[in-house]
Amino acid sequence: DSGVTQTPKHLITATGQRVTLRCSPRSGDLSVYWYQQSLDQGLQFLIQYYNGEERAKGNILERFSAQQFPDLHSELNLSSLELGDSALYFCASSVGISGRDTQYFGPGTRLTVL
Amino acid sequence: GIQVEQSPPDLILQEGANSTLRCNFSDSVNNLQWFHQNPWGQLINLFYIPSGTKQNGRLSATTVATERYSLLYISSSQTTDSGVYFCAVVFSLGGSQGNLIFGKGTKLSVKP
Repeated sequence: DSGVTQTPKHLITATGQRVTLRCSPRSGDLSVYWYQQSLDQGLQFLIQYYNGEERAKGNILERFSAQQFPDLHSELNLSSLELGDSALYFCASSVGISGRDTQYFGPGTRLTVL
Repeated sequence: GIQVEQSPPDLILQEGANSTLRCNFSDSVNNLQWFHQNPWGQLINLFYIPSGTKQNGRLSATTVATERYSLLYISSSQTTDSGVYFCAVVFSLGGSQGNLIFGKGTKLSVKP
């Protein structure tokens, strides 16, 4: 158990819908990262938050957004869903912001868009 | 460009055999982690090893930062070692901003 929790574990929805994925970081970790794992793109970084502020963006679509709340949990919002958004979405957390710390990954949310 | 390359892409072993997985990276790194993704999709941290050598049971890892590669050794493999092994790095200069960049992985199958 990494200490990072993600809900829900599985999500099945239809094209055009909107979903919210939730992540709680390890106790004491201030950075939260979101990653997407798809069959064709592999594991890719989406976005990073540190202590409530957005710090870095990767290959995140405009239809996707995220935020980190004062209690440090984070939510990833995916809207106008397309078939190609079906993937495993991971949240990771670390203590700092520099990338020199170990990143611990949650169990992931498996999203299926039908 | 910025690259993380893993080899071999696929590996089939008999239970009890040893193996070495390799990760080459294109520039200096602040962070290098090895992960095991089990058949249920969970990403399990194996090592944080931007340089040096570490051991944990039957697994060990070595990173030679000056030569830009890392090796993961699995000894006396068991069927539960099956899955995909990923190497991921945070590059020191450009290419990433604290986020990990993943290789494509090595898919390991251990046969009983």
